[in-house]
Amino acid sequence: DIQMTQSPSSVSASEGDRVTITCRASQDISNWLAWYQQKPGNAPKLLMYGASTLQSGVPSRFSGSGSGTDFTLSISSLQPEDFATYYCQQGKSFPLTFGGGTKVEIK
Amino acid sequence: QLQLQESGPGLVKPSETLSLTCIVSGDSVSSSTYYWGWIRQPPGKGLEWIGSIYYTGSTSYNWSLKSRVTISVDTSKNQFSLKLSSVTAADTAVYYCARLGTYGVYFDYWGQGSLVTVSS
Repeated sequence: DIQMTQSPSSVSASEGDRVTITCRASQDISNWLAWYQQKPGNAPKLLMYGASTLQSGVPSRFSGSGSGTDFTLSISSLQPEDFATYYCQQGKSFPLTFGGGTKVEIK
Repeated sequence: QLQLQESGPGLVKPSETLSLTCIVSGDSVSSSTYYWGWIRQPPGKGLEWIGSIYYTGSTSYNWSLKSRVTISVDTSKNQFSLKLSSVTAADTAVYYCARLGTYGVYFDYWGQGSLVTVSS
């Protein structure tokens, strides 16, 4: 299985801050990576796929980059609605696997 | 507007079979474009892919659960189902059904989730 490791596990930030989350794959997954946002009590929401393609309707303050084994999700200017847990997921091979999550908390 | 809704018992006894159905509206499970899948999330923990199915009935399962999992599709009712046998407390989780969008490996629409507790 491809292991996905996210860091940090949590980050405290203020509204307007730039936040960057990292995801590392245990082997080369090219750009077969997605990011999801999950708020408490809700299902995850797809933010990005193909490492850097924004899902329809997702604000442009979200951006993704990376290829191979190292990827990042950035939020350029944190908004109140962005406080949530973020997960990466690889789509290179089965079983599909997720990172452990990064919780973005209010500072 | 695509909607997915999980339905099934919220409480299952140890060693029994967990059964959930995902009712799809606003799209067809017979679409040749998409796959349909199940993901679970134990309370306070991360996400685990259980398996996926195509309208033809072709399936992919997480090998860690493969011996206990069956996913099926009913195109006449526009729904797909999950069965997980021989459950234990470790199978207690919120179970989500989802559509896998383009490429069949990313989850672009999710149900609201159904909490299933395994307890006697």
